[in-house]
Amino acid sequence: AQSVTQPDIHITVSEGASLELRCNYSYGATPYLFWYVQSPGQGLQLLLKYFSGDTLVQGIKGFEAEFKRSQSSFNLRKPSVHWSDAAEYFCAVGPSGGSYIPTFGRGTSLIVHP
Amino acid sequence: EAQVTQNPRYLITVTGKKLTVTCSQNMNHEYMSWYRQDPGLGLRQIYYSMNVEVTDKGDVPEGYKVSRKEKRNFPLILESPSPNQTSLYFCASSVTGNRQRNTIYFGEGSWLTVV
Repeated sequence: AQSVTQPDIHITVSEGASLELRCNYSYGATPYLFWYVQSPGQGLQLLLKYFSGDTLVQGIKGFEAEFKRSQSSFNLRKPSVHWSDAAEYFCAVGPSGGSYIPTFGRGTSLIVHP
Repeated sequence: EAQVTQNPRYLITVTGKKLTVTCSQNMNHEYMSWYRQDPGLGLRQIYYSMNVEVTDKGDVPEGYKVSRKEKRNFPLILESPSPNQTSLYFCASSVTGNRQRNTIYFGEGSWLTVV
């Protein structure tokens, strides 16, 4: 069965600092990978996705993520964090084949200090 | 504009009083799903539907029902709500072909409190 682990429940960074949110997955084949962001009181917004090809994926709001098959990871990065990036971030893995049920991680809460 | 619309957005109800949370999408998506989000547990899938009249249980289906009579609508029904169903609920939809597969569009969420 597929699974997603986000090892950090909370991450605190200072505004302007760089950010890396970790995501590890378990899946038997080539996965579809996603990062979503949920701002307070809001729904989930897709930041970026990886299906195949270039392992470094660019997303919205200046985020990027790198797929590393050897490490089963899909970490989210941003070079300089803004206060408005404070939110909950979810990594998700989607299966190939006939089933369309993605699995979400438990989320990482990003706190940004001024 | 592509949208997944849920109603109500906020609801406080009493134990045992049946309620329905509606979900509608305007993207002609085949796949629709309901999730609940609880602190420390992330998103857990309740039910999903691959197409009209095709529904199946997710990870936490107990206490919920769904129906898919039309492609655009996927209501979530709580026949007899209990306090442990107090949660934030998300409806989602997705197209099921090619590279768009599994790119999920979410509604804005419905905050449900059962007292």
